[in-house]
Amino acid sequence: KNEVEQSPQNLTAQEGEFITINCSYSVGISALHWLQQHPGGGIVSLFMLSSGKKKHGRLIATINIQEKHSSLHITASHPRDSAVYICAVRSSGTYKYIFGTGTRLKVLA
Amino acid sequence: NAGVTQTPKFQVLKTGQSMTLQCAQDMNHNSMYWYRQDPGMGLRLIYYSASEGTTDKGEVPNGYNVSRLNKREFSLRLESAAPSQTSVYFCASSEAGQGGGNIQYFGAGTRLSVL
Repeated sequence: KNEVEQSPQNLTAQEGEFITINCSYSVGISALHWLQQHPGGGIVSLFMLSSGKKKHGRLIATINIQEKHSSLHITASHPRDSAVYICAVRSSGTYKYIFGTGTRLKVLA
Repeated sequence: NAGVTQTPKFQVLKTGQSMTLQCAQDMNHNSMYWYRQDPGMGLRLIYYSASEGTTDKGEVPNGYNVSRLNKREFSLRLESAAPSQTSVYFCASSEAGQGGGNIQYFGAGTRLSVL
């Protein structure tokens, strides 16, 4: 079993839909990151969370430390949101990050 | 401000050849990382450098060596390439961690094929 599990693996949505991507982890962490990998391959960091909730534009990320679970929400989805979304955790007391396998999102116009 | 720069972007090698992937960051970060990304798998850590002068093995270090040349540069060397090293390689950097995580900044990646 992977230490970081994401669901779903693939997601197709219609433009305007509300989208939720989930991440569960099994290790102690100091922070959780959500990353976006564009179709061209580049990776950018969207959020870094250690507790609570963060919002940036149409993106919302939440984390529940007790349940070891995080969600990434996209409101009013748009085709330009099509990408792979990756959850990564920083293992407590280390410099190491553990990555999920990603959720491939396709938003149809 | 270029961020994290990786070279080359693409490379094809024959089995047994050697090569060095270069990575440089201009954000004065202490920590640098090399990852590989394979289909169906998450990014896996090859080596990392918590600070200048230090390097440590990650999850999949076999077949690779690294050099933290200075604070800016962290190179990854394949001494004798094997087909199993066909992958996309990413370099990343972050500020030094003290407990809580820091945002990682990624290079554009190097697509390596070993024939």
